[in-house]
Amino acid sequence: AQKVTQAQTEISVVEKEDVTLDCVYETRDTTYYLFWYKQPPSGELVFLIRRNSFDEQNEISGRYSWNFQKSTSSFNFTITASQVVDSAVYFCALTAGGTSYGKLTFGQGTILTVHP
Amino acid sequence: DSGVTQTPKHLITATGQRVTLRCSPRSGDLSVYWYQQSLDQGLQFLIQYYNGEERAKGNILERFSAQQFPDLHSELNLSSLELGDSALYFCASSPFGESSYEQYFGPGTRLTVT
Repeated sequence: AQKVTQAQTEISVVEKEDVTLDCVYETRDTTYYLFWYKQPPSGELVFLIRRNSFDEQNEISGRYSWNFQKSTSSFNFTITASQVVDSAVYFCALTAGGTSYGKLTFGQGTILTVHP
Repeated sequence: DSGVTQTPKHLITATGQRVTLRCSPRSGDLSVYWYQQSLDQGLQFLIQYYNGEERAKGNILERFSAQQFPDLHSELNLSSLELGDSALYFCASSPFGESSYEQYFGPGTRLTVT
């Protein structure tokens, strides 16, 4: 069975602060894929990133960066110099390879509020 | 805009009724996934179709069914509705049915059962 845990239910920061959202996963599969999605107040789910289990390189995209560590089964997401528009619910998700066929297991989500 | 469309955006109906939610995947995507988002259960995978065939099933109730048509659009049918079925229902699509492809989500259909 697969499991994703986002221990932080809610985080509140002031604009320009850096913030890290934690994600810990469990899977017995050796091939798996990790994702982050953003759900702004409007409700849609926006794809942010996908990582493969065999690629532990960290990734940076503008103010966003992701730290993938297999040793601790973590895939953390950092927003640098946060902005009010970053306020949203962020979901970490996992899918295994093979017969999982892409079905995503989501964490419970972290509500991020960025205050001006 | 992800390119995935869902109709209707909102649906209000009574207990015991039946509704149909519709999804059109991104152009060229063969795989469609349905998810349910509720306050108590979070985001849960319901069912996946790939090129017209059911491929994977998750926590989908027997009262719910889905299909994917030859033009690749998909419909999720919910019957004998209960108050607890009130949720946001998402459709997502990906090029193929494998895990290595990211899924792009539609805007969702918010179902309210009264």
